[in-house]
Parts: sequence; structure tokens; C-alpha cells
Amino acid sequence: EAAVTQSPRNKVAVTGGKVTLSCNQTNNHNNMYWYRQDTGHGLRLIHYSYGAGSTEKGDIPDGYKASRPSQENFSLILELATPSQTSVYFCASGGGVNTEVFFGKGTRLTVV
Amino acid sequence: AQSVTQPDARVTVSEGASLQLRCKYSYSGTPYLFWYVQYQRQGLQLLLKYYSGDPVVQGVNGFEAEFSKSDSSFHLRKASVHWSDSAVYFCAASGSNYQLIWGSGTKLIIKP
Repeated sequence: EAAVTQSPRNKVAVTGGKVTLSCNQTNNHNNMYWYRQDTGHGLRLIHYSYGAGSTEKGDIPDGYKASRPSQENFSLILELATPSQTSVYFCASGGGVNTEVFFGKGTRLTVV
Repeated sequence: AQSVTQPDARVTVSEGASLQLRCKYSYSGTPYLFWYVQYQRQGLQLLLKYYSGDPVVQGVNGFEAEFSKSDSSFHLRKASVHWSDSAVYFCAASGSNYQLIWGSGTKLIIKP
């Protein structure tokens, strides 16, 4: 069964600290995505990737970096975390434009 | 610009009643359209998708959706809701670059 695993599931970080959110997929999908979900905004795309070594900016990339070292792994990096980045982050993978996108269970990040 | 609009942030229905959740899209050409469901503190799961053919598509758990090109809509329906259908429902359309364009979500509340 298709699986997307995010770690950690919960994280408390201090303002100005570095945060790395990890995502692993066993679907062998080329495309991977990082979203954040906030009340009133639905899902907003931060970064995405077409395959190992590629990262692309989504709709709200400022303050975030992404890394795709392999087909399976896609990380989201907050170099200098701010309280405005407190949110729930979802990783997802997909095979193509008309195929299902599979989501992880989310990471709840609180920046204090 | 391509967009997906879910005009109802919250819908309340009684258990056993019928349901319609509205979705309107703005897209040049024929989009791929999706409905996803998010149960509390979970990732999103695919309910159904549409690209071509019969405008009424069947999904999991008794859900169906009807595509209307003239109305630019893709409304979700269920004949009889169950308390376990309580969740947030997202409509999405395929965009360029294998990205999905998301609606803001509709929270479904089931009254006993």
C-alpha cells in the first residue's frame, strides 16, 4: 500500500532555530510536495519536486528550503524559524497529473 | 487564473439526510478534478476523481460527484450521511507542473 511517512509528528522549536521536517515515501513516485495547512487558508504549496535532485518553489516558499536527496526522501528546512511558521505541515507524493496524491499524517510545528 | 472555490466553509446536516458539498472551478481546458477527505488530525485521502466520460463519478463510502462543464462545477453528493462522515472535504483541480489547485475546504458536521 502506498505510504508517506512524516517525522516528527510534533515539534516545538524556538524562534531563530533551525527545523528540519522529513518525509519518506515508498510509492516510487516522482513528484513530492510540501504543504502547510492553516485555518482559513486550506492547503498552501511551499515546495515541490519532480525527482531526486530537483526542488521547485511553490506558492509560499519564503522562509523555507527543500531538499530531495533521493526518490524516497524530501525534506523541508526552516533555517530561522519564526512564530508565523507555526502550522501543520503535510508531505505528499504523486505519480502524475491525473493520479492520486498520497498524504502523510502531518507534522504539527509550534515555534515559540 | 486557475482557481477552485468551495463557497461553504461549514455544512451541517442530520444523520441519514442527503448531502451536497459545492465546488466551482476556473480552468482553461478540461481539468482533472478531485475530492479529498480529511478526518481529524489525519492526512487527506482521495474520495474520487474525474477527467472524462460519464459526468457522474462514484467514489468510496457512497460518495459521488457530478461534473458540469457549463456550470464549471464538481459538486459532491451522498444520499444518506453517517456520523463517521464528519470531516473536512477538499475539492481540487489539476494545474500545470503536476500541482493541484486546492479549494479552501468544507467542514461537514453531522447532527445526531
